[in-house]
Amino acid sequence: QKEVEQDPGPLSVPEGAIVSLNCTYSNSAFQYFMWYRQYSRKGPELLMYTYSSGNKEDGRFTAQVDKSSKYISLFIRDSQPSDSATYLCAMIRTGGFKTIFGAGTRLFVKA
Amino acid sequence: GAGVSQTPSNKVTEKGKYVELRCDPISGHTALYWYRQSLGQGPEFLIYFQGTGAADDSGLPNDRFFAVRPEGSVSTLKIQRTERGDSAVYLCASSLGTEETQYFGPGTRLLVL
Repeated sequence: QKEVEQDPGPLSVPEGAIVSLNCTYSNSAFQYFMWYRQYSRKGPELLMYTYSSGNKEDGRFTAQVDKSSKYISLFIRDSQPSDSATYLCAMIRTGGFKTIFGAGTRLFVKA
Repeated sequence: GAGVSQTPSNKVTEKGKYVELRCDPISGHTALYWYRQSLGQGPEFLIYFQGTGAADDSGLPNDRFFAVRPEGSVSTLKIQRTERGDSAVYLCASSLGTEETQYFGPGTRLLVL
C-alpha cells in the first residue's frame, strides 16, 4: 500500500464548476501538507501549504486537512480552462524533509 | 529572478551508457533535492543536499545512481550503466532551507533505448 493515495482521474468539468480533489494517507507522522500544480512538460508549482489540521484559503483555492481521517482536499472555485493541469498532493512528516507525493489527478476544465 | 534550471532538457542514450544531469538551484538556496517522475506518477524522492553534503540519499534506487554538490550550489546526478527502466523525468528542486517551499526546475527527460 502506498503512503499517499490519489485518484489519477482524469477529471473533466465545465468552466465555472467547483472542483474537489483529494488524497488519503496512512502515515500519522505527516504534519506538512501541500498541493502542487503541474502543467505538461513543466515542474510542479506549489499552490497551497498547510501545517497540521484545518483550512486555508487563497483566492479561488481552499485546502483542507483532516488528520483524524487522514484525508486532505483541495477545492477550486469558479474553475477556468487555465486550471487544466495535474494536481499533486504532497506531505512531509515532522522533523523530516523527504516529500512524499501522490500520483496526481489530471484535471480538464472545458470552456 | 532566475528559477531552478536543469540541463539538458532532453537526453537520449543507449542502454549501458553513462549520463550526467545538471541542476542549477536558485541563488542562495542551501537545500537541493532530486526527484524522479515516471509517466502518470508523482515525483519520487531520490536525494537531499543541505549545503555540500547529502543529508539523505535513501531514495537512490541502487549504486548506479550517484549525486554530488561539491560547492554547495550546482548539483550533478550521475547514472552509470543506464537501463531502460531509468527512463523518466528527473526533477531538481531547491529551497532556502529545510521545511521551506521547494521550487522545481522543468526537469530533464531521460530516454534510455
